[in-house]
Amino acid sequence: DTGVSQNPRHKITKRGQNVTFRCDPISEHNRLYWYRQTLGQGPEFLTYFQNEAQLEKSRLLSDRFSAERPKGSFSTLEIQRTEQGDSAMYLCASSPPDGSGGGDTQYFGPGTRLTVL
Amino acid sequence: QKEVEQDPGPLSVPEGAIVSLNCTYSNSAFQYFMWYRQYSRKGPELLMYTYSSGNKEDGRFTAQVDKSSKYISLFIRDSQPSDSATYLCAQGAQKLVFGQGTRLTINP
Repeated sequence: DTGVSQNPRHKITKRGQNVTFRCDPISEHNRLYWYRQTLGQGPEFLTYFQNEAQLEKSRLLSDRFSAERPKGSFSTLEIQRTEQGDSAMYLCASSPPDGSGGGDTQYFGPGTRLTVL
Repeated sequence: QKEVEQDPGPLSVPEGAIVSLNCTYSNSAFQYFMWYRQYSRKGPELLMYTYSSGNKEDGRFTAQVDKSSKYISLFIRDSQPSDSATYLCAQGAQKLVFGQGTRLTINP
């Protein structure tokens, strides 16, 4: 039973560069979520998908951020023109379909730690 | 005011002690509550989830929700050094709102 996987695990970039992260959810989980976590804080919701449809976006997700889930399986999160304030852990989670008995329990991946210099 | 408030600690207790971790929430619209454990530089690991009020027990862990006071609790019995981690409470469906996390250390 494989969990949520995220790549890369670490990314160091220079300010102004674009970065892209990938998330592979647990097989058969139809919902996929992105969160951001800074040091000493709990994760903050960014966006989520049900299958390939992006259903909600936080106001934290500025126009420099874009997320996709083109075939309803893996997802990518791209940050354009990175800023030092984007340095954080980017977490992906997935949850099973409604009625599977798990409520909307979300299972998190190991995260991608982004450092913007 | 944050929607979910959690004392960040740190909290340090001796091995074998009963640990009580608490959160308060302000939005009564969402009835799902979760507790996650997060080790340093790792992703959060789901410990327990509860729906609405009441208690739920799983081994050494008990989750409690008191809707009247908008209080969420996690109790850890017979605490072990391996329980040392940050514990996060969360509320919601789809969009989870997390507390700040409580950093817990169990001393051998």
